[in-house]
Amino acid sequence: KQEVTQIPAALSVPEGENLVLNCSFTDSAIYNLQWFRQDPGKGLTSLLLIQSSQREQTSGRLNASLDKSSGRSTLYIAASQPGDSATYLCAVKNDGSYQLTFGKGTKLSVIP
Amino acid sequence: DVKVTQSSRYLVKRTGEKVFLECVQDMDHENMFWYRQDPGLGLRLIYFSYDVKMKEKGDIPEGYSVSREKKERFSLILESASTNQTSMYLCASSRTGLNSPLHFGNGTRLTVT
Repeated sequence: KQEVTQIPAALSVPEGENLVLNCSFTDSAIYNLQWFRQDPGKGLTSLLLIQSSQREQTSGRLNASLDKSSGRSTLYIAASQPGDSATYLCAVKNDGSYQLTFGKGTKLSVIP
Repeated sequence: DVKVTQSSRYLVKRTGEKVFLECVQDMDHENMFWYRQDPGLGLRLIYFSYDVKMKEKGDIPEGYSVSREKKERFSLILESASTNQTSMYLCASSRTGLNSPLHFGNGTRLTVT
């Protein structure tokens, strides 16, 4: 059964710092990996989707990488801002499945 | 932009009531999903649907049912609400195609007393 882990559970950084969020998964037979952002009391917003054949995806200040063979993905946030404060979740879709398996998220606080 | 709309942001119901949670998407997506999110447990899939009138059980279907009579609408039904169903409920949709991203609504915070 696929398991997705995100460490640390919480992270606090000063504004302007570059930071990396980590995601690991136990079964490398994935179809894709998706990163989401969740603001308190709200739904999830899709940030980036990386297909299994891809190494990375970029959107603005965000860059997500995927190393399928080692079961790891990272989300790099450049020049962090207070508005980046949120919980970031990763989720993987296994081959042949409609379902996503979610990690429990990393709660990011960017201090002005 | 994809819009997934959940009819209620907050809902308070009594134990034993029948509860309907409604979700509508405006992008003609084939797939729709219901998740619940609880502290320490993360997101868990309750049911999903890949076509009108089609449904599949997720990881925790007990105590729930669903209805998809039209492509744009996916309803979650709590047949007899219990206090352990107090949770945040999230609806999501996506296109057919395994590399289509998932789009979420804003959630319904349900409290059962």
